[in-house]
Amino acid sequence: GEDVEQSLFLSVREGDSSVINCTYTDSSSTYLYWYKQEPGAGLQLLTYIFSNMDMKQDQRLTVLLNKKDKHLSLRIADTQTGDSAIYFCAESPAYSGAGSYQLTFGKGTKLSVIP
Amino acid sequence: GAVVSQHPSWVICKSGTSVKIECRSLDFQATTMFWYRQFPKQSLMLMATSNEGSKATYEQGVEKDKFLINHASLTLSTLTVTSAHPEDSSFYICSAPLARSYNEQFFGPGTRLTVL
Repeated sequence: GEDVEQSLFLSVREGDSSVINCTYTDSSSTYLYWYKQEPGAGLQLLTYIFSNMDMKQDQRLTVLLNKKDKHLSLRIADTQTGDSAIYFCAESPAYSGAGSYQLTFGKGTKLSVIP
Repeated sequence: GAVVSQHPSWVICKSGTSVKIECRSLDFQATTMFWYRQFPKQSLMLMATSNEGSKATYEQGVEKDKFLINHASLTLSTLTVTSAHPEDSSFYICSAPLARSYNEQFFGPGTRLTVL
């Protein structure tokens, strides 16, 4: 079955860049997502990338995709204390027509930002 | 973006009782909703796909008689945990896409269930 792996913890100083990495196994993954979860809250979609893209940038967020190595990364520039949260990588295959997209999540990376 | 709400935010119940959790799409119609379960420091595990007007599709290992899902309208899906036990304590999250073929899902804020 599909598998999504992430490192569990990352600690950075405020103002530095954070890079959160993710690897996945499903070669049919079409969409790859980054979600943010703050304590006791649901998931907030940060960004997603289509599998035919190598990079996507949105303000302080940069997503890099290496499809050959099945490696996805999220870079947060100028990390702030408000960025402290758990970041989930997720993937979904192409829409099959039989039902909606289903997401497979990694275990999440807890980002701690040191003031 | 679209908004999905859940009610209640948290619930504490005694072992053996049943608990109903509601998931509502506030500004769009959702023919499909997903129910996830999240254990502490763990990922989200898909429990079931809720389909408006038809039976839910359960993932392998999820007891359909234990976790009853009713998708009675285009804006509401309910998850009822029947005869809850302490091992059912978890964070339950629902999500919905804007349309069946739409890849982006919008998540509710989650419901924390604690069974004593």
